[in-house]
Amino acid sequence: QLQLQESGPGLVKPSETLSLTCTLSGGSISSSSYYWGWIRQPPGKGLEWIGTVYYTGDIYCNPSLKSRVTISVDTSKDQFSLELTSVTAADTAVYYCARTESGRYSWFDPWGQGTLVTVSS
Amino acid sequence: EIVMTQSPATLSVSPGERATLSCRASQSVSSNLAWYQQKPGQAPRLLIYGASTRATGFPARFSGSGSGTDFTLTISSLQSEDFAVYYCQQYNNWPSFGGGTKVEIK
Repeated sequence: QLQLQESGPGLVKPSETLSLTCTLSGGSISSSSYYWGWIRQPPGKGLEWIGTVYYTGDIYCNPSLKSRVTISVDTSKDQFSLELTSVTAADTAVYYCARTESGRYSWFDPWGQGTLVTVSS
Repeated sequence: EIVMTQSPATLSVSPGERATLSCRASQSVSSNLAWYQQKPGQAPRLLIYGASTRATGFPARFSGSGSGTDFTLTISSLQSEDFAVYYCQQYNNWPSFGGGTKVEIK
């Protein structure tokens, strides 16, 4: 059964770059059937899609974040990564990685457990 | 951007009662609509996709309906484990989520 696990620093300073990695177990990121996404949730608030990547490296991003987001894939490690530049306190959130089915825009299942990233000096 | 609006924000229901949650899209999303259940401290869990297809592991008391701009999630007889926050998400275009409905014990 596929499981996803987010990893990365829990504290990032304002104006710096947030970097997270999602590692798959029990499945391959190179499957042609799936895409891989990042979603975030500020404390006590709702969900926001950040972006989605295919194993070929094709990326689809939320237009509101596109200028600051990079998503990459490492097929040799079954990992995909998120970089968010020039962070502010508004980027403080739990960051989730998830698999998407049925194309680049689809539902998300399963999800990683999430990792809290706090932006603070 | 397709804006998803959920109502009510909070729904107080007694165990055994029926719960009806609403999700409205700012433009048609066809049947490209998913629902998620989120419990405190946990990741969201896929509940419904394709507006009405129940995901693995959820019992038949959960049902989804609707198409176009108006969607409903119904829980026919609330159990203690169903008290949670429910989010809708459209994927007709780049994904967007509703603000959530918290189902709490009355």
